[in-house]
Amino acid sequence: EQQVQQSPASLVLQEGENAELQCSFSIFTNQVQWFYQRPGGRLVSLLYNPSGTKQSGRLTSTTVIKERRSSLHISSSQITDSGTYLCAMEPGGYKVVFGSGTRLLVSP
Amino acid sequence: EAAVTQSPRSKVAVTGGKVTLSCHQTNNHDYMYWYRQDTGHGLRLIHYSYVADSTEKGDIPDGYKASRPSQENFSLILELASLSQTAVYFCASRSNQDTQYFGPGTRLLVL
Repeated sequence: EQQVQQSPASLVLQEGENAELQCSFSIFTNQVQWFYQRPGGRLVSLLYNPSGTKQSGRLTSTTVIKERRSSLHISSSQITDSGTYLCAMEPGGYKVVFGSGTRLLVSP
Repeated sequence: EAAVTQSPRSKVAVTGGKVTLSCHQTNNHDYMYWYRQDTGHGLRLIHYSYVADSTEKGDIPDGYKASRPSQENFSLILELASLSQTAVYFCASRSNQDTQYFGPGTRLLVL
């Protein structure tokens, strides 16, 4: 069974601090995605990152295929960044498999 | 912006009853997916489809059926709802080599 492991499970930051979220895969994949979800809300795509480094605003995703891992860096966190961050990978055959997420709380 | 809608947005069902969750996308995407999310957990893939009139089993298909009558519509069917199927269900669509676009979710409570 293809698996996606995310760490940490939860993270508490003060506003302005940086965050580093990790994702590892049980198989080699070259299709990695990061999503954001507010409590009870729909998932929203943050970064679609096949390999290397990709940036969008304060978010930077780095994927190293040969090491089967990806990371999401959030710089200068804001209260509105609070929510759950999910990593997903494609093992092939059109499937998309998700990790259990990192719950981020940013306090004033 | 890709548009994926789900209906109903919430539902209360009785154990043993039949439940149908519907998903509609207007983006001409080939691939559609059904996931369930339980409190404190990520998304688990139930069924998916890459072409109309064809569905594939995901990681947790037991107790669920899927139907893809057209490119735009993808339904999830619980023939005999059980307490363990209480969850939030998300539908998603995507085109090849692109990210997924998610619907708002359906909250299902089975009593």
